[in-house]
Amino acid sequence: DARVTQTPRHKVTEMGQEVTMRCQPILGHNTVFWYRQTMMQGLELLAYFRNRAPLDDSGMPKDRFSAEMPDATLATLKIQPSEPRDSAVYFCASGLGPPQIFGSGTQLSVL
Amino acid sequence: SQELEQSPQSLIVQEGKNLTINCTSSKTLYGLYWYKQKYGEGLIFLMMLQKGGEEKSHEKITAKLDEKKQQSSLHITASQPSHAGIYLCGASTSGTYKYIFGTGTRLKVLA
Repeated sequence: DARVTQTPRHKVTEMGQEVTMRCQPILGHNTVFWYRQTMMQGLELLAYFRNRAPLDDSGMPKDRFSAEMPDATLATLKIQPSEPRDSAVYFCASGLGPPQIFGSGTQLSVL
Repeated sequence: SQELEQSPQSLIVQEGKNLTINCTSSKTLYGLYWYKQKYGEGLIFLMMLQKGGEEKSHEKITAKLDEKKQQSSLHITASQPSHAGIYLCGASTSGTYKYIFGTGTRLKVLA
């Protein structure tokens, strides 16, 4: 089965540290999404790319978050510096048109 | 307030019972997607509805999109413990890839 692969699955870090989350989209998918899920806010879209170009990152705090696609097989989401309020599950999803296929997520805890 | 409202927020049913989950939007839906999520896992795609009046079924799960394309329902017939999880509806209300998601319905099926 083709799947979206996210690493790491779990990350515990201290406030102020840099965090990098990685995503390998399904081969051939040209659209990649980053979401954040919390109990309070639910699932929120942070950013998405089409053909590696960022189309919308309005959901992302610009001062500390950045998202890139260095190549078609890798998407990254960085947080620098991290804060306790960034604790959440971060999902990557990819698609070739709808629907989106989700990865298993990175559970981030910032102490 | 959420653009996509799901009801109920949680549901506990006895195995074998039927149940319905609703997803309502104040805006026209350009594509409505149902996903299922188990604790600690990613979202599993269930069904996609795009046309008003469309209805799709997979095994014991049926989803409908109303004619005005502002509400969808997910119906499970003869529920089983394997149906337990969180059901989320997702949609585009702008015709773009900028999807929003409901807050989810937590389903528990008692054996």
